[in-house]
Amino acid sequence: DAKTTQPNSMESNEEEPVHLPCNHSTISGTDYIHWYRQLPSQGPEYVIHGLTSNVNNRMASLAIAEDRKSSTLILHRATLRDAAVYYCILGGYNQGGKLIFGQGTELSVKP
Amino acid sequence: DAGVIQSPRHEVTEMGQEVTLRCKPISGHNSLFWYRQTMMRGLELLIYFNNNVPIDDSGMPEDRFSAKMPNASFSTLKIQPSEPRDSAVYFCASRLGLATANEQFFGPGTRLTVL
Repeated sequence: DAKTTQPNSMESNEEEPVHLPCNHSTISGTDYIHWYRQLPSQGPEYVIHGLTSNVNNRMASLAIAEDRKSSTLILHRATLRDAAVYYCILGGYNQGGKLIFGQGTELSVKP
Repeated sequence: DAGVIQSPRHEVTEMGQEVTLRCKPISGHNSLFWYRQTMMRGLELLIYFNNNVPIDDSGMPEDRFSAKMPNASFSTLKIQPSEPRDSAVYFCASRLGLATANEQFFGPGTRLTVL
């Protein structure tokens, strides 16, 4: 399975932007980059995904490097409710429809 | 929609007992996934189904684990006999199709404790 590398943990202040990095140097041309997050005591939830171009939705933005070997999830204004584990996952034909979760980045948000 | 429904939410049992976890996917979703989460191993994919057919069960730990999907609206994960090391949170998830570009929805999980 294609591997992603994320920092184990990050800290942010409330109402400030947060940039969560992810490295995926072995990504193939058909792999999507997915981000899910898991709030405490809940199941994971979808955040955003992209293939080549940067993507925006109501929750976050996804910036994808030109060579696609890294990406950054951007939370524009962190709230206390954004404290969660954020997972960067490669998915697509090569993964046979599976989403394989790594260890993720635990984001803490300080008031 | 009620989302993915799992039952029970909590299960405490004794070693050697049979445990059955249940999942109802979102209506219209034809792919269903079972995951297990522990502190040591993180979130592991156990098995997944497409159109009620098991596609990949390579993550199932051993023969004590089995999963079925008798129809499009119901799946079970059974552990027989259960062991303390099976204690974990078990998540069920569903999605439309096999394309990962489609959002995958997770249930609230079943917290299993085997004494």
